[in-house]
Amino acid sequence: QVQLVESGGGLVKPGGSLRLSCAASGFTFSDFYMSWIRQAPGKGLEWLSYISESGRTVSYTDSLKGRFTISRDNAKKSLYLQMSSLRAEDTAVYYCVTTVGSTFYWWGQGTLVTVSS
Amino acid sequence: DIQMTQSPSSLSASVGDRVTITCRASETITNYLNWYQQKPGKAPKLLIYAASNLQRGVPSRFSGSGSGTDFTLTIGGLQPEDFATYYCQQSYSTPLTFGGGTKVEIK
Repeated sequence: QVQLVESGGGLVKPGGSLRLSCAASGFTFSDFYMSWIRQAPGKGLEWLSYISESGRTVSYTDSLKGRFTISRDNAKKSLYLQMSSLRAEDTAVYYCVTTVGSTFYWWGQGTLVTVSS
Repeated sequence: DIQMTQSPSSLSASVGDRVTITCRASETITNYLNWYQQKPGKAPKLLIYAASNLQRGVPSRFSGSGSGTDFTLTIGGLQPEDFATYYCQQSYSTPLTFGGGTKVEIK
């Protein structure tokens, strides 16, 4: 069955960096766009970025202002999110999600990122 | 950016009730509208895509309708497992955006 397992979350100080990973299994990873979506504690869902099957096409929400970079390694069936200049408002659960036609089909369980001094 | 507005933000209902949640887009999105269900501590789950198509495995008591700017999610006969938060999402253009959510609680 489809599995998406995020890792790399944790506590980081403001201004710090973190790299999230997502390991995929149970489907042909290289056939799918992938997205990162986050959810701040007690808040709604926010789409951050997607990447095409090959990695050649990426898109970001404007509010990230270049601080985050999405990437993938199809040989390793893995998706990544490099996050830098982290702020308190980046505190959230980050989900890795398969994306078809900008619709979010399969979701990981999420990894919590806490930005605090 | 396309703004998605859901109403109500919360509602109380009883098992067996028919529940309707609405979602309005700030501009036309034709039928590029999806609905998700999220239970506490869990990841969201896709219920309906392209406004009215039921995702595989989702019970038929869930239905979606609408086009343009106005959309509706209906639960025909609320079950105990349906108490959750529901989100709409437009897949028409980036940035992809979600509604604020509707929490369905037990009356």
